[in-house]
Amino acid sequence: GAGVSQSPSNKVTEKGKDVELRCDPISGHTALYWYRQSLGQGLEFLIYFQGNSAPDKSGLPSDRFSAERTGGSVSTLTIQRTQQEDSAVYLCASSPGPGQEAFFGQGTRLTVV
Amino acid sequence: DQQVKQNSPSLSVQEGRISILNCDYTNSMFDYFLWYKKYPAEGPTFLISISSIKDKNEDGRFTVFLNKSAKHLSLHIVPSQPGDSAVYFCAASSGGYQKVTFGTGTKLQVIP
Repeated sequence: GAGVSQSPSNKVTEKGKDVELRCDPISGHTALYWYRQSLGQGLEFLIYFQGNSAPDKSGLPSDRFSAERTGGSVSTLTIQRTQQEDSAVYLCASSPGPGQEAFFGQGTRLTVV
Repeated sequence: DQQVKQNSPSLSVQEGRISILNCDYTNSMFDYFLWYKKYPAEGPTFLISISSIKDKNEDGRFTVFLNKSAKHLSLHIVPSQPGDSAVYFCAASSGGYQKVTFGTGTKLQVIP
């Protein structure tokens, strides 16, 4: 498809396990963002990529969270030793360039039990 | 530090009337503003944007107004339709090598 694709769409994991979330941005989009939305909350910024580098990772909640982007395309968000408070919908978005209109994927719903 | 604020978590409007969603920002470096709409179980979708060189941008039933001196923008939907019921996010960026910062959202309910 031509849109932003995220996988898996749903993930249930046990507390303490590691999870990896994947984002395939729109081809040619140089900017990529990760956000999360907890129940009843707004969009919380996690990290921003321009190309393969992350000029702003100020939103990562703890050192259990990391993200990388390779080839200026696919990005993975890894959460180590998951906790129940990590349960949220993790949204990825890409835009043609920094600060421009972003196109969102449908998100990955993570549930930590 | 919430740089983009949407102080009304929810809003109910009668079908056919005007919906006005408000947004305030604190970062004077922001120069590009966007509104997104989000339905349940879907990612946000872009609705309309405005550059800081303008004070108004219109697209069909949707108009965004920007008051730079007050650091305030608003989204007007006229006339409101039941299909407009969704969560609306205000967002801002400072261009260049900068991320887009989102507000916490306002849930709009348009009552038939």
